[in-house]
Amino acid sequence: DMKVTQMPRYLIKRMGENVLLECGQDMSHETMYWYRQDPGLGLQLIYISYDVDSNSEGDIPKGYRVSRKKREHFSLILDSAKTNQTSVYFCASSFNRNTEVFFGKGTRLTVV
Amino acid sequence: GEKVEQHESTLSVREGDSAVINCTYTDTASSYFPWYKQEAGKGLHFVIDIRSNVDRKQSQRLIVLLDKKAKRFSLHITATQPEDSAIYFCAAASSGSWQLIFGSGTQLTVMP
Repeated sequence: DMKVTQMPRYLIKRMGENVLLECGQDMSHETMYWYRQDPGLGLQLIYISYDVDSNSEGDIPKGYRVSRKKREHFSLILDSAKTNQTSVYFCASSFNRNTEVFFGKGTRLTVV
Repeated sequence: GEKVEQHESTLSVREGDSAVINCTYTDTASSYFPWYKQEAGKGLHFVIDIRSNVDRKQSQRLIVLLDKKAKRFSLHITATQPEDSAIYFCAAASSGSWQLIFGSGTQLTVMP
């Protein structure tokens, strides 16, 4: 069953709190991604991970960090969340470049 | 860097009619052009893609056209059905890149 699973689905945090978004995939994909989706902006890449402990910044990495200690898990961390980080966050994975990307259902994060 | 512009932010069609969503890109090195569908409250789901070695691809009711000279590609949905209602995202990537650049999305509504 090819799946990308994100937890939690909904999260409300206060400004300044730390946030941990978790993602898992069961396809043994080497490459995983974190995107955020904002109205009218499409999806913006935050980080890409090519394998365990092999991570690269995407277009909007500021204020975020990631952790990949196992191939099937990829975490997004917000240290001291800000209100402008309110968004929907999607985790994704793919087998190879220029092939189908599989997305999770998203985490709606609200920072108040 | 690459920019992908999705021209229609909303599109309404009557059931049974065709829908066309247009995208343009800026990077002549782009060679991979996927389309994704997002239903309400869900993640993105791959629907079809086209590579730069062809200018047309069809999968059932979906047709993708690519005009490399104009740096334009389009998704045609024929004989639309209510379940086609969703947000559609175009994207582009160069052959050497892992990163997809997404358009801002088109909300398609198919009216009975």
